[in-house]
Amino acid sequence: DIQMTQSPSFLSASVGDRVTINCKASQNINKYLDWYQQKLGEAPKLLIYNTNSLHTGIPSRFSGSGSGTDFTLTISSLQPEDVATYFCLQHNSGYTFGAGTKLELK
Amino acid sequence: EVQLVESGGGLVQPGRSLKLSCAASGFTFSNYYMAWVRQAPKKGLEWVATISTSGSRTYYPDSVKGRFTISRDNAKSSLYLQMNSLKSEDTATYYCARLYSYVMDAWGQGASVTVSS
Repeated sequence: DIQMTQSPSFLSASVGDRVTINCKASQNINKYLDWYQQKLGEAPKLLIYNTNSLHTGIPSRFSGSGSGTDFTLTISSLQPEDVATYFCLQHNSGYTFGAGTKLELK
Repeated sequence: EVQLVESGGGLVQPGRSLKLSCAASGFTFSNYYMAWVRQAPKKGLEWVATISTSGSRTYYPDSVKGRFTISRDNAKSSLYLQMNSLKSEDTATYYCARLYSYVMDAWGQGASVTVSS
């Protein structure tokens, strides 16, 4: 089974900061890595799919990069509404989620 | 607008059964693979089951294989999850999700399942 290691678990940043969240797969997952945002009490929302494709309606300050085993979600300029928990998900073989990164405002 | 609405959650005793439903609207349900994902309290997300467009193919992780059954009724635009022999570790919020080329691109709001005596 593929394991996903997500870091950091917790992140505190200021409005306007550049924020990066990482996911590392236990084996090659090609480009099949997606990123989700989950706000308190809500369902997860797709942000980025297949490493770097922006989902419909998602602001361009969100971007994804990586390949193989190492992937990154970047928020170029943090906004107050970005406070949430972020998850990665591999779908190269079955589905495995990362443990999540809780993002708060400093 | 794509909408997925789960129902059927609740409190159930260990060893008993429960069936969740997910009503889909805003898209042609029969054209999409569908999935169930769960999230235990203050824990991460776990994929639970996937079903093909016709329902002829289903996929499960080892943690629920043999106990859970995913099914669908395309005429009713509905997805189901039959959960048998429930354990305390099955306590979670269960989400249905639409799959677009294996990507979970739309999610419902979730149904809460508590397994406790």
